[in-house]
Amino acid sequence: AQSVTQLDSQVPVFEEAPVELRCNYSSSVSVYLFWYVQYPNQGLQLLLKYLSGSTLVKGINGFEAEFNKSQTSFHLRKPSVHISDTAEYFCAVTLNNAGNMLTFGGGTRLMVKP
Amino acid sequence: GAGVSQTPSNKVTEKGKYVELRCDPISGHTALYWYRQSLGQGPEFLIYFQGTGAADDSGLPNDRFFAVRPEGSVSTLKIQRTERGDSAVYLCASSLTRGMNTEAFFGQGTRLTVV
Repeated sequence: AQSVTQLDSQVPVFEEAPVELRCNYSSSVSVYLFWYVQYPNQGLQLLLKYLSGSTLVKGINGFEAEFNKSQTSFHLRKPSVHISDTAEYFCAVTLNNAGNMLTFGGGTRLMVKP
Repeated sequence: GAGVSQTPSNKVTEKGKYVELRCDPISGHTALYWYRQSLGQGPEFLIYFQGTGAADDSGLPNDRFFAVRPEGSVSTLKIQRTERGDSAVYLCASSLTRGMNTEAFFGQGTRLTVV
């Protein structure tokens, strides 16, 4: 079975600073990787996903993530955050025959301060 | 509305009671998923429907939980003899197909509180 670990439960950062949210996964087979964002009182929204090809994936709102197979990581980055990026971020994986049956990490709360 | 709709948004019930949670997926989406999100945790997969049939129910925690999708559109998650540990946000998602190139769209969830 696969699992996902998000190492930081909370990440405080000042506005316009860079940020990295860490995600590590474990699986004995190939997986697909996702980052979702959950704004207060809203549903989960897909930020980006890695299925195959280039290991650097660009998503919405200026976010990007890099798949590192040797380190089993899929860290999310943004070079300059905004107050509006304050939200809960979830990393998720699924197996290649499992559709959108996702295994989520515990989430990281990004708190952007002015 | 164009998104996934879940009703009710909040449900408070007494321990031992039966509850039903409803999910209206995006029109035309054949795949439908239920997840449960406990406080401070990430969502956990419960069950997946492809059309009318439950293609994978491996995430249902026990036989008190059951879900149906009789016409391949609206789905209902049913919980019998509710327990305080069932308190969580129940999320529904739908996608056009089960393929990985189709995005899953999530509803805002139903917050279930068992007192």
